[in-house]
Amino acid sequence: DAGITQSPRHKVTETGTPVTLRCHQTENHRYMYWYRQDPGHGLRLIHYSYGVKDTDKGEVSDGYSVSRSKTEDFLLTLESATSSQTSVYFCAISESAANYGYTFGSGTRLTVV
Amino acid sequence: AQSVTQLDSHVSVSEGTPVLLRCNYSSSYSPSLFWYVQHPNKGLQLLLKYTSAATLVKGINGFEAEFKKSETSFHLTKPSAHMSDAAEYFCVALTGGFKTIFGAGTRLFVKA
Repeated sequence: DAGITQSPRHKVTETGTPVTLRCHQTENHRYMYWYRQDPGHGLRLIHYSYGVKDTDKGEVSDGYSVSRSKTEDFLLTLESATSSQTSVYFCAISESAANYGYTFGSGTRLTVV
Repeated sequence: AQSVTQLDSHVSVSEGTPVLLRCNYSSSYSPSLFWYVQHPNKGLQLLLKYTSAATLVKGINGFEAEFKKSETSFHLTKPSAHMSDAAEYFCVALTGGFKTIFGAGTRLFVKA
């Protein structure tokens, strides 16, 4: 997806290990979000950022932390991965407080074994 | 409580026939409403948005949606389905601040 990339695209990790997912944007948008997508649950917000070093929790933030040291990068960290965190993770960006809609990345498929 | 309900988890149509994907919302505020499409192994793509201007909103790829406040609905339609429309569709409400609510999704199947 133009202007926003996620890495890695796929990852398999073991229970208890730390994992960091990266979202990189070239649009200079202020707002960045991390969502997880699970069957039957749609998308659920994990954390979001409204500026460099400004972040806040979403509805499913337990077990996750984020950091944003530069406008273009938003990192999602699973401190100690659990099987319940197996999911597809999407990063999204928006120019303002979501009134114009989001631009989504292509997702990271994470499997915790 | 604020919510978005997509009334059908699956919809199947034949190519060339109309598409109707239904969405109802519940909100204390007048929301901004969106439809997104997700093709397999892809991120979500914005189809169209309603932000309190015209109640009939036209989007990409021939889709449109009508906001009906009296029915609290925002149904997505297309006059003629194409095979490439087969995907999952999400209705989304923005009710204020960062409160974005996603529907559970409707998977659209298009038969040749």
